[in-house]
Amino acid sequence: SAVISQKPSRDICQRGTSLTIQCQVDSQVTMMFWYRQQPGQSLTLIATANQGSEATYESGFVIDKFPISRPNLTFSTLTVSNMSPEDSSIYLCSVGRGLNTEAFFGQGTRLTVV
Amino acid sequence: AQSVTQPDIHITVSEGASLELRCNYSYGATPYLFWYVQSPGQGLQLLLKYFSGDTLVQGIKGFEAEFKRSQSSFNLRKPSVHWSDAAEYFCAVAPTGTASKLTFGTGTRLQVTL
Repeated sequence: SAVISQKPSRDICQRGTSLTIQCQVDSQVTMMFWYRQQPGQSLTLIATANQGSEATYESGFVIDKFPISRPNLTFSTLTVSNMSPEDSSIYLCSVGRGLNTEAFFGQGTRLTVV
Repeated sequence: AQSVTQPDIHITVSEGASLELRCNYSYGATPYLFWYVQSPGQGLQLLLKYFSGDTLVQGIKGFEAEFKRSQSSFNLRKPSVHWSDAAEYFCAVAPTGTASKLTFGTGTRLQVTL
C-alpha cells in the first residue's frame, strides 16, 4: 500500500481565486493521478501527473484551468484556477507503484467555492 | 474507450441478508477490474481486484466478485451484510498495463437496515 497525504483536507474559497492542493506519498511511486468527484457523483480522471514533464489531461480538462506539477516521484500539486461554484468538488490524488499495480487514494480535498 | 455501468444507484438490504452489486464494463480486451468502497467522509478503499486467473476473487471484509467474460460483468457479492457495510461502492476498470489509471462507474449507494 501507500500512505498518501493531501493538503488541505478542505477549504472554502472565493470565486475567481485559485487553490493549490498538495499530494505527498510516503515513498516513490510510478504513477500519480488527479480525480474530481462532484457532489453526489462518481470520480472522473482529470489528468496523469508526469514526473518532470507536462501532465496528460483527459478530455474536458485543460492545463490553464487545472495546472499540475510533479517535481519528483513522491509529490504532486493540482491547482484549481479562477474558481467558480461549479468547481466545488472533492479532489483526490491517487498513486500506483507500478504499471500493473492497483491505485491507492488520498483522503481527498473538499473544495467549496462561494 | 472503456466504460463502466452500475445499473443500481441505490440498494437497501437488511442486516444479515446477502448482497449483490452489479457491474458491467466495456473494453476491447480483458481489463483490470476493481471494486472500491467509499464511506461517508472517507477516501476510497480497495475491496478487491481482478487482473487474470481465477475468475472468482476474494477481497477484504468478506466480499467477493466474479469476472464473467461472456457477460462483461464483475459483480460484487457478500453473503451476509453488516450495518457497517453501508457506503458507496464503485466498480472501476483500468486498461491492461496501466492498472492504476481508473475509469469509474457511477456508484451504488448501499443502505443497510437493522
